[in-house]
Amino acid sequence: KAGVTQTPRYLIKTRGQQVTLSCSPISGHRSVSWYQQTPGQGLQFLFEYFSETQRNKGNFPGRFSGRQFSNSRSEMNVSTLELGDSALYLCASSLTSGSTGELFFGEGSRLTVL
Amino acid sequence: AQSVTQLGSHVSVSEGALVLLRCNYSSSVPPYLFWYVQYPNQGLQLLLKYTTGATLVKGINGFEAEFKKSETSFHLTKPSAHMSDAAEYFCALNQAGTALIFGKGTTLSVSS
Repeated sequence: KAGVTQTPRYLIKTRGQQVTLSCSPISGHRSVSWYQQTPGQGLQFLFEYFSETQRNKGNFPGRFSGRQFSNSRSEMNVSTLELGDSALYLCASSLTSGSTGELFFGEGSRLTVL
Repeated sequence: AQSVTQLGSHVSVSEGALVLLRCNYSSSVPPYLFWYVQYPNQGLQLLLKYTTGATLVKGINGFEAEFKKSETSFHLTKPSAHMSDAAEYFCALNQAGTALIFGKGTTLSVSS
């Protein structure tokens, strides 16, 4: 059974650009969550999608957005990149919404903003 | 507000020694509690979780944790450390179907 797949694994952008990250959940999982991981702030919740609907949202500015497709694949977009957006972005999938069950994480997309 | 505090950002033990990673939480209602492990350049993997019932929870790789409501703690232990246990460990909580809230993490180093 394939795990959670995130692409790209590494990317470098400059300030002001935008970026789109992709996440393919485990087959059959309908919930996808996104987290930002930085050395200073740790793991911070961005948002969760379930059946193409955003169910929960963290405390991030509107430059951070996401969506989920009918096949449960998800994308997140960051516009007008800032240096502080440099981080590891982790996607996690689960069978149900609300994280009462186990989250299965991908290996992450490491974004560097120059 | 919910929060998770992991005491000690870095813990060092010798191979074969007891591993104790501390986690305290704050929650207005009984939470679900989790421990995740992250190896370098990898995502997080669930070690164990507490939802309801037995307060001593056994997980993978010989780890276990005990939920103590009176102390609002959920410490992770392993009787005998192995070199392969070196990683970063995260305690997390969730209540009422909201998103997981993670602690800052504890890096475990194991020396031979």
